[in-house]
Amino acid sequence: AQSVTQLDSQVPVFEEAPVELRCNYSSSVSVYLFWYVQYPNQGLQLLLKYLSGSTLVKGINGFEAEFNKSQTSFHLRKPSVHISDTAEYFCAVSPLVGSNTGKLIFGQGTTLQVKP
Amino acid sequence: GAVVSQHPSWVICKSGTSVKIECRSLDFQATTMFWYRQFPKQSLMLMATSNEGSKATYEQGVEKDKFLINHASLTLSTLTVTSAHPEDSSFYICSARDLAGETYEQYFGPGTRLTVT
Repeated sequence: AQSVTQLDSQVPVFEEAPVELRCNYSSSVSVYLFWYVQYPNQGLQLLLKYLSGSTLVKGINGFEAEFNKSQTSFHLRKPSVHISDTAEYFCAVSPLVGSNTGKLIFGQGTTLQVKP
Repeated sequence: GAVVSQHPSWVICKSGTSVKIECRSLDFQATTMFWYRQFPKQSLMLMATSNEGSKATYEQGVEKDKFLINHASLTLSTLTVTSAHPEDSSFYICSARDLAGETYEQYFGPGTRLTVT
């Protein structure tokens, strides 16, 4: 079985400051890793993904994340946040079992609150 | 880009009635669609995996007789909440996997907010 833990339920930060949203996962099989963003009353939008290769992946809106296999972590970072980044962020894994079914297991979510 | 729509965006129904939610892939074909449930300020919980032309696969603890899923075409899946009760009130989100795309790619709909009174 797989599980995803997002270590912070809320992260308040001032505009233009850097931010890190933490994500750890547990899995007995290899996984793909994802970060999604959800704006109020909307569906999820993919920020970035790690499938293989370079452990540092870059996504949309200036976000990046680093896969650390030994620590089973996939933390999301942005060097300078904007008010518009205020949203809910979800870390997710997709287990690679046989033919990947695409099933996603989500973390609990982190609310990023960017203050002026 | 790939677009997934849901209808209705919100619905209020009385306890004991049934409500149907539609999930459509607008510009691509989806052999697989997923249905999630999200409680306020909480994560998405996968309810079931819907495959075109076959029975849905339900996650443990999800009542298949209560949450009926039909995936009749490559662009449409429906979730019917039968005999709804107030505890079924939630935000229901679907996602679709592009037949022509990578297996890990999922595109999410905007969600349907169900309130049962």
